[in-house]
Amino acid sequence: GESVGLHLPTLSVQEGDNSIINCAYSNSASDYFIWYKQESGKGPQFIIDIRSNMDKRQGQRVTVLLNKTVKHLSLQIAATQPGDSAVYFCAETLSGTYKYIFGTGTRLKVLA
Amino acid sequence: DTAVSQTPKYLVTQMGNDKSIKCEQNLGHDTMYWYKQDSKKFLKIMFSYNNKELIINETVPNRFSPKSPDKAHLNLHINSLELGDSAVYFCASSQTPGREQFFGPGTRLTVL
Repeated sequence: GESVGLHLPTLSVQEGDNSIINCAYSNSASDYFIWYKQESGKGPQFIIDIRSNMDKRQGQRVTVLLNKTVKHLSLQIAATQPGDSAVYFCAETLSGTYKYIFGTGTRLKVLA
Repeated sequence: DTAVSQTPKYLVTQMGNDKSIKCEQNLGHDTMYWYKQDSKKFLKIMFSYNNKELIINETVPNRFSPKSPDKAHLNLHINSLELGDSAVYFCASSQTPGREQFFGPGTRLTVL
């Protein structure tokens, strides 16, 4: 299940299930969006990106969906594995600017 | 080969001291950034540099002074450290603005 509040939102999923992590972005003018994975003690690592002229993009086991109408991004991870346990961030930017705005992050816990 | 490296990884110091964090990228990128990540994992951009030129300064106290001696390096100097400066600081780079960023491993700063 998913929990929100004062702590980092946490999503717990069973190993082998699909995960969906959601993100609401702030600027309707943003045209480039990125998902990052941050493992404990490490820096954020690029997973997948999408430009605003698309609404879906697939990678290896991951899919990003973009809904510009409601300023919403989601990251779908297929067949979630223990190695997927991490904090996931979405980020938005407007091309040509130097400012990236990160979402609050979601902790994904994979249960064996 | 490490793409974006930072030193030191850990920094423990007393209030009022001055300290520096170094960052180097070997990706040939033109743009470099400093981020601060607080205890709730919130990532906030502090500075953006393009070709050694400061582009963004996100209302960071002037106790923080970035310096870019060349395109591959972006250092962060902090004067008169305060308790609230305790955080993890990440350096990142991108080929251009509006492209994915590559993050360093982070520097955990603890001010006592």
